[in-house]
Amino acid sequence: DGGITQSPKYLFRKEGQNVTLSCEQNLNHDAMYWYRQDPGQGLRLIYYSQIVNDFQKGDIAEGYSVSREKKESFPLTVTSAQKNPTAFYLCASRPSRNYGYTFGSGTRLTVV
Amino acid sequence: DQQVKQNSPSLSVQEGRISILNCDYTNSMFDYFLWYKKYPAEGPTFLISISSIKDKNEDGRFTVFLNKSAKHLSLHIVPSQPGDSAVYFCAASARGTGNQFYFGTGTSLTVIP
Repeated sequence: DGGITQSPKYLFRKEGQNVTLSCEQNLNHDAMYWYRQDPGQGLRLIYYSQIVNDFQKGDIAEGYSVSREKKESFPLTVTSAQKNPTAFYLCASRPSRNYGYTFGSGTRLTVV
Repeated sequence: DQQVKQNSPSLSVQEGRISILNCDYTNSMFDYFLWYKKYPAEGPTFLISISSIKDKNEDGRFTVFLNKSAKHLSLHIVPSQPGDSAVYFCAASARGTGNQFYFGTGTSLTVIP
């Protein structure tokens, strides 16, 4: 079955550590996105990529980094520079403009 | 600045009645709109879409209405069922914005049996 896989589902990080969230899709979608969900704030865009080896900052990119070396993969690194990293992170992909996103099941990151 | 707004954080409806979820947007360039349904600790799932060339789109129990002059869209669920209890997000997209969607803050719907 085609879909988006995010791993791990739950992740704990110590303050000062970098951590990488995985996102893999086998839908052959060109565009991929990372969103962050906080209570009462909806989904906010962190980074997106429309083609391999290219990505753009979203509204809240500070403290995050991404790579897009393969069409199927769009990992997100939460760096120690991110002040409030505890959140629910969602990865999504989209085939082209007039289609909606397909979302992964999310990763809950908690800083301890 | 929030370009897509859902001003009702929560809504409770009796089973069998109509649920109406509202969404307002500020960017007149938005031309494609979606509704997503989300359960806790899961990714959102696509529910229904509408493009700006239409004012209504229907899919089973779900109907989305778009009023472009008012920059307002609504989702009607008829009849509401307990399994519809979830958080509903509206989202909007415009050409030339990297194909990204802007999301509202969500409305938590509770359908009471």
